[in-house]
Amino acid sequence: EADIYQTPRYLVIGTGKKITLECSQTMGHDKMYWYQQDPGMELHLIHYSYGVNSTEKGDLSSESTVSRIRTEHFPLTLESARPSHTSQYLCASRTGTGTDTQYFGPGTRLTVL
Amino acid sequence: GENVEQHPSTLSVQEGDSAVIKCTYSDSASNYFPWYKQELGKGPQLIIDIRSNVGEKKDQRIAVTLNKTAKHFSLHITETQPEDSAVYFCAASLSGSSGSARQLTFGSGTQLTVLP
Repeated sequence: EADIYQTPRYLVIGTGKKITLECSQTMGHDKMYWYQQDPGMELHLIHYSYGVNSTEKGDLSSESTVSRIRTEHFPLTLESARPSHTSQYLCASRTGTGTDTQYFGPGTRLTVL
Repeated sequence: GENVEQHPSTLSVQEGDSAVIKCTYSDSASNYFPWYKQELGKGPQLIIDIRSNVGEKKDQRIAVTLNKTAKHFSLHITETQPEDSAVYFCAASLSGSSGSARQLTFGSGTQLTVLP
């Protein structure tokens, strides 16, 4: 069982609000990822980090931002939520060496009204 | 970059039958191929993976085969049970030192339904 956590699990919020989705892992993994999962099931990488103070944009353009101040914490922020941001957001992590196994959190279901 | 195609997008089988999901990849350098299972309301969970130095790997009712020449790999589930119903994702990446390794590229997913 992977020790990666996401909060909140579900969030319904109005347009224009600032939100932060939390992701934390207790495995000491260097690499962390955020994916957006659309209703068609596909996983789209929106941000990743290879360590503290390292963040990169993924394949899918996103208006969200991320930060990596601590190894175990990789929050995602939307400054002004819009209905188009409604989606499932999945956080993942893996160690930087050795096994390639990537562990996913349970996800946050975001609905912007 | 890597491109992974997954088929079929939906699959229904009778309980006890076998299910096969196929993926193709484009980058011949890819050497790590995991399969994930995502149940409703949960994040994807790794169920089996294979590296390019082997052609087949089994874990109880689940097996994965890899054909490096053709650049395709498949997930086989035998004696399917209702609890196997979920979305399955294949993925491919190049594993190695940080300088050469690449992120996982996922297939588009297969919704498997096992009918009782």
